[in-house]
Amino acid sequence: AQSVTQLGSHVSVSEGALVLLRCNYSSSVPPYLFWYVQYPNQGLQLLLKYTTGATLVKGINGFEAEFKKSETSFHLTKPSAHMSDAAEYFCAVSLSGGADGLTFGKGTHLIIQP
Amino acid sequence: ETGVTQTPRHLVMGMTNKKSLKCEQHLGHNAMYWYKQSAKKPLELMFVYSLEERVENNSVPSRFSPECPNSSHLFLHLHTLQPEDSALYLCASSQVFLGQGLYEQYFGPGTRLTVT
Repeated sequence: AQSVTQLGSHVSVSEGALVLLRCNYSSSVPPYLFWYVQYPNQGLQLLLKYTTGATLVKGINGFEAEFKKSETSFHLTKPSAHMSDAAEYFCAVSLSGGADGLTFGKGTHLIIQP
Repeated sequence: ETGVTQTPRHLVMGMTNKKSLKCEQHLGHNAMYWYKQSAKKPLELMFVYSLEERVENNSVPSRFSPECPNSSHLFLHLHTLQPEDSALYLCASSQVFLGQGLYEQYFGPGTRLTVT
C-alpha cells in the first residue's frame, strides 16, 4: 500500500521568503508523484508531477520539487513567496500514474505574511 | 463550458432525502473519479470509472451509489446520508491509455454537501 505524509498542517512565511512544503511517501516501488494546489472554493489544480528521469521537476507559478528516492521525499519549493501563493497544497502519489486514482496527503495550508 | 463542471455547487439535505450530484467533463477524457474531502482528513478516493470499468472502493458505504452513463458524465446518488457525510465532493477526469503512463487528473470545483 502507498501513503503520503505532509509535515505541518500550516506553514507561514513572509512575502519574498523561501517556501518549503514537505512531503514524504511510502511505496514498495517507485511511484508517480504530484503536487496540487487548492484555492478557496475551487477544485484542485496540478502544480507539477514526477514520473521518471530528471529528479528536479519544475511546475507552474515558479514552484519546483525534487524527488529524492533515498529519502522517499518530494518536497515543494519556491524561491520567493507571493501573496497569491496563499492556498492549500496537496502532495499525492500513485503507482498506476493516476489511472486508478490518487492517494493524497492531508494537505498543508500556506500562509503568506505581508 | 470548459474543463470539469459540477452541479450543484452547494447542497443541503436531510438524512431521509435522496439527491444526486452531477459531474460533466468537457475534455474528451475516458476516466472519471469521485473524491471526498472532509475537514482535517486527506482526500479520499471513492469511485473510479476507467476505460468503462468501475473500480470499487470497499470502504465506501452503500448509501453512496455512482453512475457513469457515458465517458462525459458521472453521477453520485445519495440516500439516507449521515451528518458525518457532510463534506466537499470533488469530481475529476483523466485520459487513460492502455499500459504505463502518467494520467493527469483535472478536478472540478466540487459540491459542498451538508447533511442535517
